[in-house]
Amino acid sequence: DQQVKQNSPSLSVQEGRISILNCDYTNSMFDYFLWYKKYPAEGPTFLISISSIKDKNEDGRFTVFLNKSAKHLSLHIVPSQPGDSAVYFCAASVQGAQKLVFGQGTRLTINP
Amino acid sequence: NAGVTQTPKFQVLKTGQSMTLQCAQDMNHNSMYWYRQDPGMGLRLIYYSASEGTTDKGEVPNGYNVSRLNKREFSLRLESAAPSQTSVYFCASSLNLGGYNEQFFGPGTRLTVL
Repeated sequence: DQQVKQNSPSLSVQEGRISILNCDYTNSMFDYFLWYKKYPAEGPTFLISISSIKDKNEDGRFTVFLNKSAKHLSLHIVPSQPGDSAVYFCAASVQGAQKLVFGQGTRLTINP
Repeated sequence: NAGVTQTPKFQVLKTGQSMTLQCAQDMNHNSMYWYRQDPGMGLRLIYYSASEGTTDKGEVPNGYNVSRLNKREFSLRLESAAPSQTSVYFCASSLNLGGYNEQFFGPGTRLTVL
């Protein structure tokens, strides 16, 4: 029972263009969502988050959009840079809960 | 401030051998976690410790045991390793004051069971 799903295992984008990574969830109790970035041979690092009271959160080149009715969130990276090549995980949580539920990850490759 | 540290970085075991993966955090976090990452499966929670003195099962606890030694340290033990436990293991910690729960990860331990 995969509560958080990233249906695209990989994505390839040209440098300078927009990268859009998608994530769907099934549990309507989730009210906090996070994106993590992972380079090879390193642990995941926190990138950006959004709570369910918002539908958008921006941090520099990174914007996360949340569509609660569709149970869908997306991460936009503009403009994409070679250093953005990594695996991106979305995760979801319920306020006060100790656990995060992660998606399967999407490998993003930025081509020069 | 080292954050979350894990030892060892790499380990090769034979089936049936035991080992303990060590994790420590210096951020005074309350909660600690053990995950495994397998291709196409994302990060799956093995065990977690919401606070010192407590541990709970996650999604995939079978074949593992944990010990929350003190606030800083959380170890994961494989009593009798199996090839299905070949994976990359990540430890994480979070402050967890009852609000939202950002977790900080260690660099991982790559384990191969032959």
